[in-house]
Amino acid sequence: NAGVTQTPKFQVLKTGQSMTLQCAQDMNHEYMSWYRQDPGMGLRLIHYSVGAGITDQGEVPNGYNVSRSTTEDFPLRLLSAAPSQTSVYFCASRDGQGYEQYFGPGTRLTVT
Amino acid sequence: GENVEQHPSTLSVQEGDSAVIKCTYSDSASNYFPWYKQELGKRPQLIIDIRSNVGEKKDQRIAVTLNKTAKHFSLHITETQPEDSAVYFCAATNNPGTYKYIFGTGTRLKVLA
Repeated sequence: NAGVTQTPKFQVLKTGQSMTLQCAQDMNHEYMSWYRQDPGMGLRLIHYSVGAGITDQGEVPNGYNVSRSTTEDFPLRLLSAAPSQTSVYFCASRDGQGYEQYFGPGTRLTVT
Repeated sequence: GENVEQHPSTLSVQEGDSAVIKCTYSDSASNYFPWYKQELGKRPQLIIDIRSNVGEKKDQRIAVTLNKTAKHFSLHITETQPEDSAVYFCAATNNPGTYKYIFGTGTRLKVLA
């Protein structure tokens, strides 16, 4: 049972490049979400999903796309990276009946 | 919109002293309040949580109190140790009403030996 996994751990992009941050969980959790963490600003919700085929926007969705084709995977896409997207990104999941969120190890993204 | 305010942003205590971190939430429908500890370079880890039908919860040296009327909740750490040094985040959510967890901005706790 690996829990929540994220790849890559580190990534450097140039402005305008695109990439996908991967997130997977093996706990059969219905709910998954993406957060970004910036110094002094805590964790801010980007997008979330309450089940396969269902996604919704969080607090800071601009510049990011998501999809949820399976229960296990919830990738986050940056279509045209900007320096303002330099951050640490965390994926999290939880069971639909439970309360506790489980976080992945994070992806540190730098956009130059 | 929904908001969670957390204070203080930094806190230094002597080893063995107590530490208290406070959070205030805006959404009166919030009913679940977790606290996370995040060590440098690591993911947030749940350390304690409380639901709205409970006023206080303890787990060894840590406790959380909730005042629904005032819409605030606090984390209490007693007999602090150097390994308690980390960033602590509070959060609030309305479960199962909405999946959105709103986080506070974090408190950097330093325990001085």
